[in-house]
Amino acid sequence: KAGVTQTPRYLIKTRGQQVTLSCSPISGHRSVSWYQQTPGQGLQFLFEYFSETQRNKGNFPGRFSGRQFSNSRSEMNVSTLELGDSALYLCASSLGGRGEQYFGPGTRLTVT
Amino acid sequence: AQSVTQPDIHITVSEGASLELRCNYSYGATPYLFWYVQSPGQGLQLLLKYFSGDTLVQGIKGFEAEFKRSQSSFNLRKPSVHWSDAAEYFCALYLNAGNMLTFGGGTRLMVKP
Repeated sequence: KAGVTQTPRYLIKTRGQQVTLSCSPISGHRSVSWYQQTPGQGLQFLFEYFSETQRNKGNFPGRFSGRQFSNSRSEMNVSTLELGDSALYLCASSLGGRGEQYFGPGTRLTVT
Repeated sequence: AQSVTQPDIHITVSEGASLELRCNYSYGATPYLFWYVQSPGQGLQLLLKYFSGDTLVQGIKGFEAEFKRSQSSFNLRKPSVHWSDAAEYFCALYLNAGNMLTFGGGTRLMVKP
């Protein structure tokens, strides 16, 4: 089975721009979660989608949003980028049960 | 509030030596616990998981972890470390309400030849 894939792997944006990141889960997994990883804050939960519905959201501003499509693929969007949004964004998929989440390689976002 | 603490930010061991990485959690119910490993520039790979039952769980790459409810700990161990084990290790607690993982701060393992 193919693992979780994320595109693009690297991205450089300018402050004020917006960005969209994509995640394709493991086949059969209906839950997709997003995490932000930074040296200062570590790994922080952004949001989780299951069957196209956002079930949970972390403590991030409204500039961070996401969606999930009928094939379980997910996108996250960050609008009005700030320097502090520079991070590794990780997507994880699961069956939606007891938390066994499988992570993709991440998208490294750099905001200049 | 639920939390995970990894007391050691950095650990250095010699190749062939044994390893123990510490993890403490705070959670009111029966925890589901995980250990992940992250190599530089990569995502997280699941090493092992604890749901219930046997308190000693085996994982991939020769790792094991022991769940101790009385100490609120879930320490990761390996009898003999290989140079390829150098990476960052994360302990995580699953929160059923929200299907989310809460991570510890991570422990960076360096292996001396």
